[in-house]
Amino acid sequence: SQTIHQWPATLVQPVGSPLSLECTVEGTSNPNLYWYRQAAGRGLQLLFYSVGIGQISSEVPQNLSASRPQDRQFILSSKKLLLSDSGFYLCAWRGRGHNEQFFGPGTRLTVL
Amino acid sequence: KNQVEQSPQSLIILEGKNCTLQCNYTVSPFSNLRWYKQDTGRGPVSLTIMTFSENTKSNGRYTATLDADTKQSSLHITASQLSDSASYICVVSASNTNAGKSTFGDGTTLTVKP
Repeated sequence: SQTIHQWPATLVQPVGSPLSLECTVEGTSNPNLYWYRQAAGRGLQLLFYSVGIGQISSEVPQNLSASRPQDRQFILSSKKLLLSDSGFYLCAWRGRGHNEQFFGPGTRLTVL
Repeated sequence: KNQVEQSPQSLIILEGKNCTLQCNYTVSPFSNLRWYKQDTGRGPVSLTIMTFSENTKSNGRYTATLDADTKQSSLHITASQLSDSASYICVVSASNTNAGKSTFGDGTTLTVKP
């Protein structure tokens, strides 16, 4: 069966510090991968998606970047965090030819 | 512009009661509609997924309906339980979307009280 992992689960970082959130998927090959951010009480905002290794598409201009160094690994990064980067970050995967997205457990990021 | 609107924004019901959540969308051309349940501080979990030809789909006490003509969907919860307290998110995908991008509603927050 397929599983998706995210870490860390929670993170508190000072403004201006770097960020690295990791997402890995098991039990599938060549998935589409997604990074979302969810503000409190709001819907999910798509940040990045990837259809393959090294292929990253950005949905909104922001202080973040994403990378996919391996088929089932998706990383969200920032060189200098802003207060507005606080939120709940969700990674998701979708199998090729399938409609459904499966979400990871999320990372709660607080920037102080 | 593709949009998904959910109503009500929040809902409080007593344990054992039924409720219905609404989702209206303008996503075109339509591919599929999914309902997710998201517990506080957790990732969303899929409840149902429906394509154009499907009018209803059940998952235990959850029943989703789809009217592709009016572009409306509903999620009906029967005999609610305390564990149903969560945010319910409607997600719609277009068939011409690249890499399976979807449009998300803001969710309905359901609180079930004893």
